[in-house]
Amino acid sequence: LAKTTQPISMDSYEGQEVNITCSHNNIATNDYITWYQQFPSQGPRFIIQGYKTKVTNEVASLFIPADRKSSTLSLPRVSLSDTAVYYCLVGEGASGGSYIPTFGRGTSLIVHP
Amino acid sequence: EAQVTQNPRYLITVTGKKLTVTCSQNMNHEYMSWYRQDPGLGLRQIYYSMNVEVTDKGDVPEGYKVSRKEKRNFPLILESPSPNQTSLYFCASSPKGSYNEQFFGPGTRLTVL
Repeated sequence: LAKTTQPISMDSYEGQEVNITCSHNNIATNDYITWYQQFPSQGPRFIIQGYKTKVTNEVASLFIPADRKSSTLSLPRVSLSDTAVYYCLVGEGASGGSYIPTFGRGTSLIVHP
Repeated sequence: EAQVTQNPRYLITVTGKKLTVTCSQNMNHEYMSWYRQDPGLGLRQIYYSMNVEVTDKGDVPEGYKVSRKEKRNFPLILESPSPNQTSLYFCASSPKGSYNEQFFGPGTRLTVL
């Protein structure tokens, strides 16, 4: 699976928009980009997934440029409850061969009052 | 309610005493996996299973065993636990065709003395 690079930590304030960028220079043609959120002592939670352009759901937006070598998770108007670690993963996720996702260390987002 | 359950949630044991951590999902998912999470190392996959009777090693399989006799269950077995297996363990499952969208259990905190 393609390796990803994310900032280790970010700080923000309530009500602001937060953008977390992930680099994945070696992304393959069939790879999707997936983001997870993890609160302390809980299992990660799937947030959003995309292949190209823009994907939006009730939680976040995912922006993927044409070359797909990076992606940006956008959290609108964050609150204190958005303080968590955010992981970017890249992988095909649809074939029947094997699937060994690499979570890495993620980005620790701290939202301040 | 769709969920992944793990038992026990907390376990303190001694070196060499065999233990099993159970994992069960009620979503009829094909893919199941086990992860361990350690400070500074992020989530690392131990073993995964693409379907019943199909299991394979992840990134850190040493010292662990798994089995997948039924679709819903994927127990993690530590035949002879050692202190370096003290960690937070997560089980996860995802459906065929969307392996990226994993559902995680609540976690099992294991301490080996």
